[in-house]
Amino acid sequence: AQSVTQLGSHVSVSEGALVLLRCNYSSSVPPYLFWYVQYPNQGLQLLLKYTTGATLVKGINGFEAEFKKSETSFHLTKPSAHMSDAAEYFCAVSDSGVTGGGNKLTFGTGTQLKVEL
Amino acid sequence: AAGVIQSPRHLIKEKRETATLKCYPIPRHDTVYWYQQGPGQDPQFLISFYEKMQSDKGSIPDRFSAQQFSDYHSELNMSSLELGDSALYFCASSSDRSSYEQYFGPGTRLTVT
Repeated sequence: AQSVTQLGSHVSVSEGALVLLRCNYSSSVPPYLFWYVQYPNQGLQLLLKYTTGATLVKGINGFEAEFKKSETSFHLTKPSAHMSDAAEYFCAVSDSGVTGGGNKLTFGTGTQLKVEL
Repeated sequence: AAGVIQSPRHLIKEKRETATLKCYPIPRHDTVYWYQQGPGQDPQFLISFYEKMQSDKGSIPDRFSAQQFSDYHSELNMSSLELGDSALYFCASSSDRSSYEQYFGPGTRLTVT
């Protein structure tokens, strides 16, 4: 069974500071990994994804994440936080190589990011 | 670009009533996933459909049923509603060609009173 663990349900940073949101995964097969962002009362927006190839993945809004197989991690970073980054962030995993509707996402419990002036 | 459409956006029902949630995937997407997000919780997979056939099933109560129609839209039917069914219900669609990437709709917020 796949799972992801997000360390820290709440993270607070100052505007302009580094953002680091942690995610560790457990998967019996090569995983596909995702970060989604959710603003209050809104849907889930894909920030970035790792499937195969380059382990450093760049996403939207200046975010990036690095897939580290040896550490089973997929941490999300952003060099400089903006007030508009305040939201809830979910790490998710799905099986690789599955088609036909079998790619359900398993989400972590989420990290609420607060950005302070 | 067209996105996933969900209707209604908000729904208030009483206990033991029924509810029907609708999802219209992105054009040419043939796969639909349903997720339930309880208050303060992460989204949980309920059920998925590919080419109008159920393809995977998660923690979906027996009181719930779903189907995908010939035009690829999907409906989630919920009967004998309970207070604990109050949640945000998301639909996501994908194209099987890139089946790992799911695009989420804005969700339907169901409140059971």
